[in-house]
Amino acid sequence: ETGVTQTPRHLVMGMTNKKSLKCEQHLGHNAMYWYKQSAKKPLELMFVYNFKEQTENNSVPSRFSPECPNSSHLFLHLHTLQPEDSALYLCASSQDLMGTQYFGPGTRLLVL
Amino acid sequence: DAKTTQPNSMESNEEEPVHLPCNHSTISGTDYIHWYRQLPSQGPEYVIHGLTSNVNNRMASLAIAEDRKSSTLILHRATLRDAAVYYCIGMMDSNYQLIWGAGTKLIIKP
Repeated sequence: ETGVTQTPRHLVMGMTNKKSLKCEQHLGHNAMYWYKQSAKKPLELMFVYNFKEQTENNSVPSRFSPECPNSSHLFLHLHTLQPEDSALYLCASSQDLMGTQYFGPGTRLLVL
Repeated sequence: DAKTTQPNSMESNEEEPVHLPCNHSTISGTDYIHWYRQLPSQGPEYVIHGLTSNVNNRMASLAIAEDRKSSTLILHRATLRDAAVYYCIGMMDSNYQLIWGAGTKLIIKP
């Protein structure tokens, strides 16, 4: 039990669909993260939120839109994705921006 | 480009110690060395971290070279459940975020 949950665990979507990934942490942490993990590539940090404020956006295309309504919830809204966006999307949280990160199990996304 | 380097893969026998090496020759004086691992079909999990001194916890030990240019993660008695990709992270970006490499895939043979 990592304390970080993600839904859905698997998602198949077409390039014209709109979907959202959800992350929830039950650890009382203040920072939350979205990562992308593609096959045979290192984890890529996408977005960082600290106390609900976005502190980092690593040049992520606008077809990915994050939302952090409170310190416990993080969403990643997806629209008009490309097949190369197929990957494992991981959410993590930490007590603060330099703290140990706790990861969820990820959402395996396939874009057709 | 500054980064950490690890072997792509390693094999070890069950119930034997495992030493996973990592080179971080350009690490700054204030960056911690972090180790995470990722079991199959799971997100990464924290293993251990340290700055200069060797560190021990219930999962592993971390031996850090005196010049901090390399470190070794030690699993004292590997089990099949330790089969995973182990990431050594010695770099942070300008916003203090971890810079992940490709990791070492550890295979445990029964």
